Amino acid sequence: ETGVTQTPRHLVMGMTNKKSLKCEQHLGHNAMYWYKQSAKKPLELMFVYSLEERVENNSVPSRFSPECPNSSHLFLHLHTLQPEDSALYLCASSQLDGGTEAFFGQGTRLTVV
Amino acid sequence: GQSLEQPSEVTAVEGAIVQINCTYQTSGFYGLSWYQQHDGGAPTFLSYNALDGLEETGRFSSFLSRSDSYGYLLLQELQMKDSASYFCAVGYRNNQAGTALIFGKGTTLSVSS
Repeated sequence: ETGVTQTPRHLVMGMTNKKSLKCEQHLGHNAMYWYKQSAKKPLELMFVYSLEERVENNSVPSRFSPECPNSSHLFLHLHTLQPEDSALYLCASSQLDGGTEAFFGQGTRLTVV
Repeated sequence: GQSLEQPSEVTAVEGAIVQINCTYQTSGFYGLSWYQQHDGGAPTFLSYNALDGLEETGRFSSFLSRSDSYGYLLLQELQMKDSASYFCAVGYRNNQAGTALIFGKGTTLSVSS
């Protein structure tokens, strides 16, 4: 248990579906992240929320829409995805200016069919 | 932009010592950290360097040279359970006064008996 919980752990969705990934952290951190991890590729930073405001968006397609309603929760809303979006989606949290120690959730394994 | 380079694979035998190097290019750098990820698991934090020099934590040590934009992770007395992927990560401050982590592609370490 890392203090960061992601649901669901596995998700299969069609290209016309809409779904959401949820992340919750119980560590009192004030920064949260979404990363994408595809096979044979590095961890790709998708979004960063700092003090509940989005401060980084690494040119992610608009079919991915993040939401951070408070410092403990982070969502990733998905719609009209493509098969190449199939990957492990990892949420992480950290304390701003607290070094680079980030805590990761177990991830959501997404398959787009 | 931000970039990190590390070897893709390293092999070693039990009891040996292995060093995984990481070079980076980034603006707003404030620290280098290392993460371990076993198959199917989430990345877990190993160590962090903000200042030049060596940080030791049990069998693992990490080194940073900011002038060379270089660091390494040293694993001693290797055990089979150390077989995993190891990622270096750079913490940086972006233009919006937020902070973020960017990860290298990872080094797959295989330890044999």
